Amino acid sequence: DQQVKQNSPSLSVQEGRISILNCDYTNSMFDYFLWYKKYPAEGPTFLISISSIKDKNEDGRFTVFLNKSAKHLSLHIVPSQPGDSAVYFCAAYGTSYGKLTFGQGTILTVHP
Amino acid sequence: DTAVSQTPKYLVTQMGNDKSIKCEQNLGHDTMYWYKQDSKKFLKIMFSYNNKELIINETVPNRFSPKSPDKAHLNLHINSLELGDSAVYFCASSLRDGGFYGYTFGSGTRLTVV
Repeated sequence: DQQVKQNSPSLSVQEGRISILNCDYTNSMFDYFLWYKKYPAEGPTFLISISSIKDKNEDGRFTVFLNKSAKHLSLHIVPSQPGDSAVYFCAAYGTSYGKLTFGQGTILTVHP
Repeated sequence: DTAVSQTPKYLVTQMGNDKSIKCEQNLGHDTMYWYKQDSKKFLKIMFSYNNKELIINETVPNRFSPKSPDKAHLNLHINSLELGDSAVYFCASSLRDGGFYGYTFGSGTRLTVV
């Protein structure tokens, strides 16, 4: 039972344009949503998070949007840079569960 | 100075062997975790420990046994290794509530069982 889903296995974007990565979830009890970035042969690195009581959180080039009614969140990267090429994981955290539940990841490729 | 370090980074072993993966964090975090990334790239939690106490034990075979000698260390011992255990294992740590600030992950241990 996959509670967090990233339906796009890959995304290709031109440098300087916007990258939009999407994530859906099924459990309305999640309290936080997070995005992680992963390079090959490295562990996931925390990027940005959002509380379930917010609808937007911004940090530099990264913005996360949360639509609770649709159980959907997205990560916007503007402008995209070649160094952003990596696998992006969406994750959700429920305080009562005490664990991060991950989506299956989206491979982002930013072309120069 | 690596925040969460795992050793070894690569481990190739034969079926039936017993092996251990070590993890140490120097962040002063209360909670540590083991995650498994399988061939389909899903990251799934196996165990979590808070201050040496087992908190989460997902549906994992008994052949997997975590051990936490202190809150900075969480080791994973695997008995009677099987082909299906081949995966990348990630250690992570967090403050008690890992929600907003997330977890800090190690760089992973790629286990290959032949």
